[in-house]
Amino acid sequence: QAGLTQPPSVSKGLRQTATLTCTGNSNNVGNQGAAWLQQHQGHPPKLLSYRNNNRPSGISERLSASRSGNTASLTITGLQPEDEADYYCSAWDSSLSARVFGGGTKLTVL
Amino acid sequence: QVQLQESGPGLVKPSQTLSLTCTVSGGSISSGSYYWSWIRQPAGKGLEWIGRIYTSGSTNYNPSLKSRVTISVDTSKNQFSLKLSSVTAADTAVYYCARDALYWGQGTLVTVSS
Repeated sequence: QAGLTQPPSVSKGLRQTATLTCTGNSNNVGNQGAAWLQQHQGHPPKLLSYRNNNRPSGISERLSASRSGNTASLTITGLQPEDEADYYCSAWDSSLSARVFGGGTKLTVL
Repeated sequence: QVQLQESGPGLVKPSQTLSLTCTVSGGSISSGSYYWSWIRQPAGKGLEWIGRIYTSGSTNYNPSLKSRVTISVDTSKNQFSLKLSSVTAADTAVYYCARDALYWGQGTLVTVSS
């Protein structure tokens, strides 16, 4: 199953801004946008945004998502220690009639 | 607040069928328009979507698992279930149930071993 492509790791300093990327194709990210999830070790994933920049209740305004063509991005401003986690993108693939995930990006806050 | 809880055997023998149940509380599984999904995660690896069932009962499965997967709903028990047949060690993972990726269970570890 074709998945989405995410960089394995990103490192940024405290209070800096991190932008995570997720590349798919016209059948998934380019069609219906992407969702972003955060996962801390030992915990289930937490939905951060869906269909590009819709945030569930309680999600920090420091997080914003966007899309350009077949690439989705998640930007986190004012990085805090609690932002250190694994981040996954996900999209519905209309050609597969299946949901696909990216491999995940480990964000390290220095 | 919707809550989900996975349950089932933590150990399954190779070639057997893995069976898990997700119990939903805080809302009826048959009301609204929601997707009830199963996702798994091998230790130290990423998330893999297994499949979903819609409130109407229609299903979608991961093409790579489709021949071995069945997802069903039991509205009388407010549960939905996963069956994965002919398991191998590669199916060892933490299995999560979720509703629309917004509400997740805590996950349950299933090990495939003789």
